[in-house]
Amino acid sequence: AQKVTQAQTEISVVEKEDVTLDCVYETRDTTYYLFWYKQPPSGELVFLIRRNSFDEQNEISGRYSWNFQKSTSSFNFTITASQVVDSAVYFCALSAGTGANSKLTFGKGITLSVRP
Amino acid sequence: DAGVIQSPRHEVTEMGQEVTLRCKPISGHNSLFWYRQTMMRGLELLIYFNNNVPIDDSGMPEDRFSAKMPNASFSTLKIQPSEPRDSAVYFCASTLGISNQPQHFGDGTRLSIL
Repeated sequence: AQKVTQAQTEISVVEKEDVTLDCVYETRDTTYYLFWYKQPPSGELVFLIRRNSFDEQNEISGRYSWNFQKSTSSFNFTITASQVVDSAVYFCALSAGTGANSKLTFGKGITLSVRP
Repeated sequence: DAGVIQSPRHEVTEMGQEVTLRCKPISGHNSLFWYRQTMMRGLELLIYFNNNVPIDDSGMPEDRFSAKMPNASFSTLKIQPSEPRDSAVYFCASTLGISNQPQHFGDGTRLSIL
């Protein structure tokens, strides 16, 4: 079985603050993929990043960065200098195994509110 | 490029009525997923198809729910008869068939059963 835990449910910050969204996952598979999705107030789900279990390199994309640590089964997401437009629900997700029988398991999501 | 297209965007109907939600995946994608999102339960996978064949329907809540994928470019999720507890946002997503590819989501159908 696979599981994704996003222990933080709601986070509120003031614009320009840095914020880290935590994600802890569980799986027995050695091959797996981790994802982050963003759901803005308009409701659509937007893919942000994918990381595979063999690549522990951190990634930076503009104000966004991701820290993948297999030792702690975590895949945390940091927004630097947050902006009001970052206000959204953020989901971490896990896909384990290979082939057509694998499926995506989502965490419960973290609601981020960035105040001006 | 066109993304995943869902229709209708909003549906309001009375309990007991049949509801049909539609999805057109991204051209070339061969896996299609139906999700339901509610405040209480979050995002739940209902069913998914690979090459038009249902692979896992263990998330379908009960026999009132059914899904079909008659061809690679179209899928339906049907609820008959509908009940107020079916009110939710239903998302369709597609991907190129293997687990390492990100799923691309449609804008969702907001369903309200009165």
